[in-house]
Amino acid sequence: QKEVEQDPGPLSVPEGAIVSLNCTYSNSAFQYFMWYRQYSRKGPELLMYTYSSGNKEDGRFTAQVDKSSKYISLFIRDSQPSDSATYLCAMSEDNYGQNFVFGPGTRLSVLP
Amino acid sequence: NAGVTQTPKFQVLKTGQSMTLQCAQDMNHNSMYWYRQDPGMGLRLIYYSASEGTTDKGEVPNGYNVSRLNKREFSLRLESAAPSQTSVYFCASSATSGGANEQFFGPGTRLTVL
Repeated sequence: QKEVEQDPGPLSVPEGAIVSLNCTYSNSAFQYFMWYRQYSRKGPELLMYTYSSGNKEDGRFTAQVDKSSKYISLFIRDSQPSDSATYLCAMSEDNYGQNFVFGPGTRLSVLP
Repeated sequence: NAGVTQTPKFQVLKTGQSMTLQCAQDMNHNSMYWYRQDPGMGLRLIYYSASEGTTDKGEVPNGYNVSRLNKREFSLRLESAAPSQTSVYFCASSATSGGANEQFFGPGTRLTVL
């Protein structure tokens, strides 16, 4: 079993839809949770960052962490074609960059 | 302010050839990292440098060497390339090795080993 799992997609949704992206993990010691967005042929860029459990909202994006279920989610409201990208989750026990564990990513297409 | 830059963008090697991937950052960050990205595998850490003058192995260091030339530059060397090293290589940097630790990534180097 991989330490961090993500459905690879591709996930195709119409413009304006609510998108739900998810990761499951096996290490209960993870405390820091991140979502990165990666456009085609570009490097990842940090989208959301959460510590421990709970929700965090930033504009159209909401990150949720459920540590009891070892499950994190990223919700995108009013999705736009510009949201078409691969979304990577990452997590860590101690927030040291060298210890980040990345999921394989979910490819999202938002169709106009 | 260019952020993290990588050269070259693309490279094709034959098995057994050597090459060095270059990375530089202009954000005065202490920590730098080399990752490889393969389909279905996620980003995997090859080597990292927590600060100038130090380097340490990551998850998949075999077949690679690194040099932290100065605070700005961190290079990755393949001494004898193998087809299993065909991948996209990303360099990243961050301000500290702890605390709120946003990593900034370069645009990547696409390497094919024939």
